[in-house]
Amino acid sequence: DTAVSQTPKYLVTQMGNDKSIKCEQNLGHDTMYWYKQDSKKFLKIMFSYNNKELIINETVPNRFSPKSPDKAHLNLHINSLELGDSAVYFCASSQDSAAGDYNEQFFGPGTRLTVL
Amino acid sequence: AQKITQTQPGMFVQEKEAVTLDCTYDTSDPSYGLFWYKQPSSGEMIFLIYQGSYDQQNATEGRYSLNFQKARKSANLVISASQLGDSAMYFCAMSSLQTGANNLFFGTGTRLTVIP
Repeated sequence: DTAVSQTPKYLVTQMGNDKSIKCEQNLGHDTMYWYKQDSKKFLKIMFSYNNKELIINETVPNRFSPKSPDKAHLNLHINSLELGDSAVYFCASSQDSAAGDYNEQFFGPGTRLTVL
Repeated sequence: AQKITQTQPGMFVQEKEAVTLDCTYDTSDPSYGLFWYKQPSSGEMIFLIYQGSYDQQNATEGRYSLNFQKARKSANLVISASQLGDSAMYFCAMSSLQTGANNLFFGTGTRLTVIP
């Protein structure tokens, strides 16, 4: 029944490693997102995908790369992990929004990434 | 550029009382959407309520209402009859056509504590 799911929930890894976080939604939405929540709880959008096309990329280092095999999945790959990458990463999905009609985003449970 | 401001880092309210969480925004776009999300200590992000910039009436969802004052650019969340389970972080967020209708910008959040 889970609407937006992410795996793993916790990820602990060494600096320099490469890791992936998976996200799946069963809501039939056509847009998916990745957000980063830092230690001060500030949430910032990283990417969004609409119909398998990247439509937002907010000054995120190119070590981060989203991969969308289909409309229901948006995975996040991170290369050469750094200490500053430690955060909670949220996946979200929504119907595509339009002028005057902005749709709410449904969030996954989050993945807490710790880089040692 | 868009900006969302939540000036109350923390708020306390007595159980069964009402509480108002402040949110002001700054945008030059005439079309935008305003959202409130709740993040309990378990970490998930829960959508609460939405207000469109062209909506004539203030949004309401159960015990939640949004006090939308367009001229003052404020979108305060009112929680009536507070319950212990309302203790959480609350985030105000905005989307606008100018910055991409799907792009959600968040405020820094307000931590609400409900006192028994």
